[in-house]
Amino acid sequence: QVQLVESGGGLVKPGGSLRLSCAASGFTFSDYYMSWIRQAPGKGLEWVSYISSSGSTIYYADSVKGRFTISRDNAKNSLYLQMNSLRAEDTAVYYCARAPGGEFPVNWFDPWGQGTLVTVSS
Amino acid sequence: EIVLTQSPGTLSLSPGERATLSCRASQSVSSSYLAWYQQKPGQAPRLLIYGASSRATGIPDRFSGSGSGTDFTLTISRLEPEDFAVYYCQQYGSSPLFGGGTKVEIK
Repeated sequence: QVQLVESGGGLVKPGGSLRLSCAASGFTFSDYYMSWIRQAPGKGLEWVSYISSSGSTIYYADSVKGRFTISRDNAKNSLYLQMNSLRAEDTAVYYCARAPGGEFPVNWFDPWGQGTLVTVSS
Repeated sequence: EIVLTQSPGTLSLSPGERATLSCRASQSVSSSYLAWYQQKPGQAPRLLIYGASSRATGIPDRFSGSGSGTDFTLTISRLEPEDFAVYYCQQYGSSPLFGGGTKVEIK
């Protein structure tokens, strides 16, 4: 079955860096756009970034542009999110999700991984 | 930028009752590019509806979506115990954006 498993979350100080990974299985990873979405504790959902199936096209939310970098390795069926200059407001559960609909922005998210918690605190 | 407003914030109902959740956009959503998700505590969101009215794979037919333009509705015809959760709408006609959520709780 289709499965997405995130890893790499943890506690980091403000200004620090963290790299999240998402391992995909059960589908042809290289055929799909992928995305990161986050959810602050007790809050709603916020889209973070998209990457096209080949990795050639990337989009970011304004809140993370210039600080976060999305990438993928289709040979390893893996999605990544490099997070630099982290702020307290980046504290959230980060989900990776498959985006089956097509080119940006015409995409919903299905399925989602279980999420990994990133806490930015001194 | 489009703003999605979900109402009510909380819906208190009993199993077997009908639930009607609203998602209103500040501008027209292109081509009914609207999705609905269900999230239970400690779990990731699950896609229910895309394209405003198309059920995702494996979603029971008691879930239905409708609407166009700026007004969209998720209806759960008869609430089952497992349906008590938070529901989010998402528009994808422009940069993806989620509504604030509606919590469906047991009365």
